[in-house]
Amino acid sequence: KAGVTQTPRYLIKTRGQQVTLSCSPISGHRSVSWYQQTPGQGLQFLFEYFSETQRNKGNFPGRFSGRQFSNSRSEMNVSTLELGDSALYLCASSLERQGGTGELFFGEGSRLTVL
Amino acid sequence: GDSVTQMEGPVTLSEEAFLTINCTYTATGYPSLFWYVQYPGEGLQLLLKATKADDKGSNKGFEATYRKETTSFHLEKGSVQVSDSAVYFCALPGNQFYFGTGTSLTVIP
Repeated sequence: KAGVTQTPRYLIKTRGQQVTLSCSPISGHRSVSWYQQTPGQGLQFLFEYFSETQRNKGNFPGRFSGRQFSNSRSEMNVSTLELGDSALYLCASSLERQGGTGELFFGEGSRLTVL
Repeated sequence: GDSVTQMEGPVTLSEEAFLTINCTYTATGYPSLFWYVQYPGEGLQLLLKATKADDKGSNKGFEATYRKETTSFHLEKGSVQVSDSAVYFCALPGNQFYFGTGTSLTVIP
C-alpha cells in the first residue's frame, strides 16, 4: 500500500512569492493534516482537512491556506513568503479525524527555503 | 489544554548503552499516547503506542508504559544501536496531535 506522497520534496523561493505544496494521502484515508517543522519551534500544527472541509486550524496567519479535493488529496498554499517560512512542511493522513485513537501517517515532507 | 512535555536533548550515547527519554502529558480523560521517530531526511513514523492506562507499547526493542498515576509515557531501550540515531517525539492526540519538542539521539560506536 502506497504511503503518503508529498511533492515537491525540495523547493527554493524568494520573499514575496507564493508556493503550493501537494499531499496525496494513503488510499482510503480521509483526514489530511499539515505541520510545519523548524529547528526552533518544533512541529506546529497548521490545519486538518476531513471530507473536503477544514476541521481545525492552528495559530498561523492567513497567508497559510489549504484545501482538500474529493479524492482526499490536499494542497497547502503560502502567499507572500517570508524568510521565516523556511521549514519542512509535513503532511499526515489518517483514517479518521484527529481526536480519536488512530495514528498519523506522515509523508517525507517538502523542504521550503525562502531567500 | 492538552500538552506534552518531553525531555530536552540532544542525547549522545555509546552503542549498547541504556536509553530513557522522559515524556509527561496533560490531558482530559485517558487518551492514547504515541512515540514517533524521525530518521534524518525523512518524515515521522510511528514507533509505538499505548491506548489505555498500564498498557505497554513496544517495537524494535523500544518500550514505553502508559502511567496514569504519574501522567508519563517514558521511552526506554536496553541497548541502543548506531541505527537508532534519530529524533524521537512523544505525541498526544486531541483536536490536533500534540507533539513534544523532540529529543535528538546520537549513538556512537
